[in-house]
Amino acid sequence: GESVGLHLPTLSVQEGDNSIINCAYSNSASDYFIWYKQESGKGPQFIIDIRSNMDKRQGQRVTVLLNKTVKHLSLQIAATQPGDSAVYFCAENYGQNFVFGPGTRLSVLP
Amino acid sequence: GAVVSQHPSWVICKSGTSVKIECRSLDFQATTMFWYRQFPKQSLMLMATSNEGSKATYEQGVEKDKFLINHASLTLSTLTVTSAHPEDSSFYICSARAWGWGISQYFGPGTRLTVT
Repeated sequence: GESVGLHLPTLSVQEGDNSIINCAYSNSASDYFIWYKQESGKGPQFIIDIRSNMDKRQGQRVTVLLNKTVKHLSLQIAATQPGDSAVYFCAENYGQNFVFGPGTRLSVLP
Repeated sequence: GAVVSQHPSWVICKSGTSVKIECRSLDFQATTMFWYRQFPKQSLMLMATSNEGSKATYEQGVEKDKFLINHASLTLSTLTVTSAHPEDSSFYICSARAWGWGISQYFGPGTRLTVT
């Protein structure tokens, strides 16, 4: 089902380091995945997507990796910047369903 | 890209009054829109799915008589919080469904509702 109200796990990284945010998805039939970024007081923002027939997709400073065997999705952010501080959600799509993960808060340390 | 707007971005109302929040898809038509609420430091909670020209589908535990949803056109859905109470204070976010490789959702900027 949809995300429930859970307190978010937090990942703290030093500015300039790489960040890896992980997500376990629920349905092996999911064929499309999206990562969203949500800054405080704003709506979620589309970052990058990937289809199930791909293992990896790269964007600008971001890379999404998909491991269908263990139903795992990750978002890698290179050279993390203060502006990357936000909550990151993964989402999976199967059929007409669109389901969010619980989210991870990324905190960038100076 | 797909842009979704919400209005107002922030509203304060007195307990017992009703508040309407608008969600618009600006550069695409959305047959399906979604309404979420989000409490501080928590994930998004889906309230209802709004389909153009038909009744909304509410998630379990969401009072449909309290949260009225109308999706009158392919670019506009409204959420009306009726007889608001302080516990309704929250961040309300809408999203619109779009098709790409699969189903994507594009989100509005959110509306902060404070009920005093």
